[in-house]
Amino acid sequence: AQKITQTQPGMFVQEKEAVTLDCTYDTSDPSYGLFWYKQPSSGEMIFLIYQGSYDQQNATEGRYSLNFQKARKSANLVISASQLGDSAMYFCAMIEVSYNFNKFYFGSGTKLNVKP
Amino acid sequence: DTEVTQTPKHLVMGMTNKKSLKCEQHMGHRAMYWYKQKAKKPPELMFVYSYEKLSINESVPSRFSPECPNSSLLNLHLHALQPEDSALYLCASSLNEGRQETQYFGPGTRLLVL
Repeated sequence: AQKITQTQPGMFVQEKEAVTLDCTYDTSDPSYGLFWYKQPSSGEMIFLIYQGSYDQQNATEGRYSLNFQKARKSANLVISASQLGDSAMYFCAMIEVSYNFNKFYFGSGTKLNVKP
Repeated sequence: DTEVTQTPKHLVMGMTNKKSLKCEQHMGHRAMYWYKQKAKKPPELMFVYSYEKLSINESVPSRFSPECPNSSLLNLHLHALQPEDSALYLCASSLNEGRQETQYFGPGTRLLVL
């Protein structure tokens, strides 16, 4: 089974509007971490936001917020007031302890295009 | 400061060459990682170096070999690569190799094997 599922290969959003990028995860570990990264065409992976499995409140970082629904195992990223510079690939990721070493799983990514 | 640096930015090499990719961080992080990323795919973990211990993804071929000269450097030595090894190679570091430690990535090295 996929550890991280991102069902939207590509999305369009109008500048200044909000957009939600979907992410669901699969783990039986009670303690895990969820991350969102942004990857522009330059290739660098930029950390956006983190949510711990025991965190009571949804994480927020500026225009980014994480809609964490633990029972549904979803960790959607909400970007408010989209900007042209938000156009990039977005990866949802999870960290989980494994037998050999802690594993960091990435989803397949969502390509976001912000239209002027 | 969350900077991870990687050199070179671009590398073109033949299948008989030996080259090295370098990764450096001065954040006092105790864990460093190498990932391989093919176009339009998510990164795949290759190696983790944490608390002086190296962990290897078993699917990584032996033509890739990591080396950790000190706690702030993690090199990736390349030898006898194949064209399918052409990819973006990303280095990352985290404070610890804990479950909930954020990984900070470098800008990557774009490798082309001819």
